[in-house]
Amino acid sequence: NAGVTQTPKFQVLKTGQSMTLQCAQDMNHNSMYWYRQDPGMGLRLIYYSASEGTTDKGEVPNGYNVSRLNKREFSLRLESAAPSQTSVYFCASSEADSWTYGYTFGSGTRLTVV
Amino acid sequence: AQSVTQPDIHITVSEGASLELRCNYSYGATPYLFWYVQSPGQGLQLLLKYFSGDTLVQGIKGFEAEFKRSQSSFNLRKPSVHWSDAAEYFCAVGYLGGSYIPTFGRGTSLIVHP
Repeated sequence: NAGVTQTPKFQVLKTGQSMTLQCAQDMNHNSMYWYRQDPGMGLRLIYYSASEGTTDKGEVPNGYNVSRLNKREFSLRLESAAPSQTSVYFCASSEADSWTYGYTFGSGTRLTVV
Repeated sequence: AQSVTQPDIHITVSEGASLELRCNYSYGATPYLFWYVQSPGQGLQLLLKYFSGDTLVQGIKGFEAEFKRSQSSFNLRKPSVHWSDAAEYFCAVGYLGGSYIPTFGRGTSLIVHP
């Protein structure tokens, strides 16, 4: 039972490059989320998808785009990476269409932008 | 706006000692409250959650938390800490209605001395 799988685990980008972070869950969860984690800042919500076909902005959406490809997959795209986007990115999912059940998190993608 | 405060950035305890990690939230409505644990290099794992009912909630790994509405607190406790409990602990609070998806605290790092 894989849960939430994120790829890649590590990535180094040059400023201005683009990349897509992939996330897939095999728990048949409706809702999926992208967070970033920075030292001393906790987790901040970038985007979320309450159900297949819908996406909404979170607290820090600037510089990012998302795609809910199907029920299983939710990708995060950086069109033109900046050093301020150096962070650890976590994907999460939740049962039904509500976060009230709590999240299942992936193991994260550590991104460095130089 | 909802917010959550974890006053302690680091907590150091000896193995076998009791533990209490503090969490305070601010908002007027009835909150959904969560505690997550993050081991080094890993994603977050849900320890326990509370919305209603008994204000003392039991979670996994021997943890418990108590909701105190009068103090706007949801402190995490464990009677006897094990070395494997060394990790980062995050409190989160959310509210139904609108897009009140959980806000995470900045985390408390637990150090366990042998």
